[in-house]
Amino acid sequence: GNSVTQMEGPVTLSEEAFLTINCTYTATGYPSLFWYVQYPGEGLQLLLKATKADDKGSNKGFEATYRKETTSFHLEKGSVQVSDSAVYFCALTSTPNDYKLSFGAGTTVTVRA
Amino acid sequence: GAVVSQHPSWVICKSGTSVKIECRSLDFQATTMFWYRQFPKQSLMLMATSNEGSKATYEQGVEKDKFLINHASLTLSTLTVTSAHPEDSSFYICSANRDYSREQYFGPGTRLTVT
Repeated sequence: GNSVTQMEGPVTLSEEAFLTINCTYTATGYPSLFWYVQYPGEGLQLLLKATKADDKGSNKGFEATYRKETTSFHLEKGSVQVSDSAVYFCALTSTPNDYKLSFGAGTTVTVRA
Repeated sequence: GAVVSQHPSWVICKSGTSVKIECRSLDFQATTMFWYRQFPKQSLMLMATSNEGSKATYEQGVEKDKFLINHASLTLSTLTVTSAHPEDSSFYICSANRDYSREQYFGPGTRLTVT
C-alpha cells in the first residue's frame, strides 16, 4: 500500500532562515506527489505538486523535486517569513488520475521574527 | 474561489448521543466530497468518499453504520457520528472536488469531543 513519511516537528526557525522538510514515500506504480499547507484556523491548501519523476513543483518560494531513485519529495524554501508558520503535509495519489490522497503526519513550522 | 466550509468548527457531546457535521462548497459545485479523520500528531485518514445522490464509499475499517454520510446536493455533505463514544473524539475534515478536477479543496475541520 501507499505510505508517506515526513520529518517530525515541530520546527522553529528565525526569519530568513532556510527551511527543509523531508518527505519519503512508498507507493506502487507512478504516484503523484503533493505538499499541502494548513495555516492556523484554515483548511489545507495545495502548495505545490509534481506528477512524474524529476518534476519540480514550486509556489510562493517553496520548491520540491520528485526523486524516484530516492523515493523522496523534500520541501525547501530559501528564506522563510513569519507568514510561513503553518503545518505542512506531504501527500501522494497512486496515479495522476487518482484522487485518493495518502498523507504524512504533518510538520508544524514556526517562524520567529 | 473554491472555498469549503464546515459547521460546527467544534462540538462537545455526551457519550451515546449523535452529532452531525456539515460540509459545504460555498462557491462551486462539488462532484465528489471526502471525509477525513485526524488524530493528534497523526496523518489525515480517509474515511469515505461520497458523490451527490449516491451512497458513500467507505474505506476499509470504517463502520458505515457508525459514520453516516449523506451527500444530498452538489454543495452539501453531512457526516453523522451515531451513538458517539469517547474514542470517536477527533478532528474531522472534509474536502471537495470541483468539476471532476483531481484537486481537493479542504474545509477547516471540526473538533469533536465526546465526554
